[in-house]
Amino acid sequence: QQQVKQSPQSLIVQKGGISIINCAYENTAFDYFPWYQQFPGKGPALLIAIRPDVSEKKEGRFTISFNKSAKQFSLHIMDSQPGDSATYFCAASKAAGNKLTFGGGTRVLVKP
Amino acid sequence: NAGVTQTPKFQVLKTGQSMTLQCAQDMNHEYMSWYRQDPGMGLRLIHYSVGAGITDQGEVPNGYNVSRSTTEDFPLRLLSAAPSQTSVYFCASSYLPSGGKETQYFGPGTRLLVL
Repeated sequence: QQQVKQSPQSLIVQKGGISIINCAYENTAFDYFPWYQQFPGKGPALLIAIRPDVSEKKEGRFTISFNKSAKQFSLHIMDSQPGDSATYFCAASKAAGNKLTFGGGTRVLVKP
Repeated sequence: NAGVTQTPKFQVLKTGQSMTLQCAQDMNHEYMSWYRQDPGMGLRLIHYSVGAGITDQGEVPNGYNVSRSTTEDFPLRLLSAAPSQTSVYFCASSYLPSGGKETQYFGPGTRLLVL
């Protein structure tokens, strides 16, 4: 049973466009929602994270939107750049530092 | 400060063999985890530790053992390798300051092929 569902599996966006990745979770005990960026042959890197007490968090060109009632959260990459081409994973846990459940990943390709 | 190191980078095993994947961090992080990454399935938690002497099972613990005798090291042992354990293994460490933002790092991974 996949507790965190991520979509789409892949997306292509033009340079300067907005990349949007969506995740949905089932476990209402989840209280911490991080996003990771992974380049080929490398380990994931923590990008940005949000807790349910806020509906949006922005760090640079990356924004997380959170909808607690719908049990959904999304990552928006503004002004997408070719260097943003990577696989992105959403995740959820009961607290920061706790066990993480990952989504299946989204491969993003930014075309110049 | 080397971050999170993993050895070996690549390993080929025969079915039934045992081996230990090494993970070390030099940041004095209290939390450490092992994940496996398979195509299309994201990362799945194998084992988890909140400090020296304390470990807990994750989502897919069967066939794997861990121990945490020091803060720095968190080895993962494959008891009797099976082809289903062919995967890329990532170790992670994290630190959560009181009321602060989590700091987390993943190692570069160990690619394991079981024949």
